[in-house]
Amino acid sequence: GQNIDQPTEMTATEGAIVQINCTYQTSGFNGLFWYQQHAGEAPTFLSYNVLDGLEEKGRFSSFLSRSKGYSYLLLKELQMKDSASYLCAVLDSNYQLIWGAGTKLIIKP
Amino acid sequence: TAGITQAPTSQILAAGRSMTLRCTQDMRHNAMYWYRQDLGLGLRLIHYSNTAGTTGKGEVPDGYSVSRANTDDFPLTLASAVPSQTSVYFCASSDTGQGTDTQYFGPGTRLTVL
Repeated sequence: GQNIDQPTEMTATEGAIVQINCTYQTSGFNGLFWYQQHAGEAPTFLSYNVLDGLEEKGRFSSFLSRSKGYSYLLLKELQMKDSASYLCAVLDSNYQLIWGAGTKLIIKP
Repeated sequence: TAGITQAPTSQILAAGRSMTLRCTQDMRHNAMYWYRQDLGLGLRLIHYSNTAGTTGKGEVPDGYSVSRANTDDFPLTLASAVPSQTSVYFCASSDTGQGTDTQYFGPGTRLTVL
């Protein structure tokens, strides 16, 4: 079966750095997405990786290793507004998105 | 621009009743999707449409139906609601149905079936 694994919850301190991991086992791979979802709101797009390596976008970076079935989202200079759930989703061989359950990130002052 | 709107915001529905969740987008996107989101689970695709006039089944289509009469609207109908359909429903759209496009989500409808 297809599986996306993320930690259920993480806690970090304002101003610090946090890394949210995502491992996947899917039938084929056509890219990996990260979305951010604040409580009670809609998911919003953060990043898309299809090649190995690190992609940086401001305070957020996303890394992919296809051989290891692994990705992480790195958030720097954490702000209170970064408190949200972070969803990892993989595009499988049929170009269907398989979603992880999300990681709830709690930022403490 | 409004992007994607959904209605209603929330609803309590008696089991056995029917209901249509509405979704409208103003981005002229070709593809639209319906997901349900339940605690502890990832988003699960119910139905999708890659272009007006066509629809397809997702991971959990049973008990739901959709139509795509035009580009902008993609209503989701529950013919006879059951308590297991209690969930938050998100509508989304993307420029194409190729999968690599960013999906844009509506604000969601919180449905409780009693």
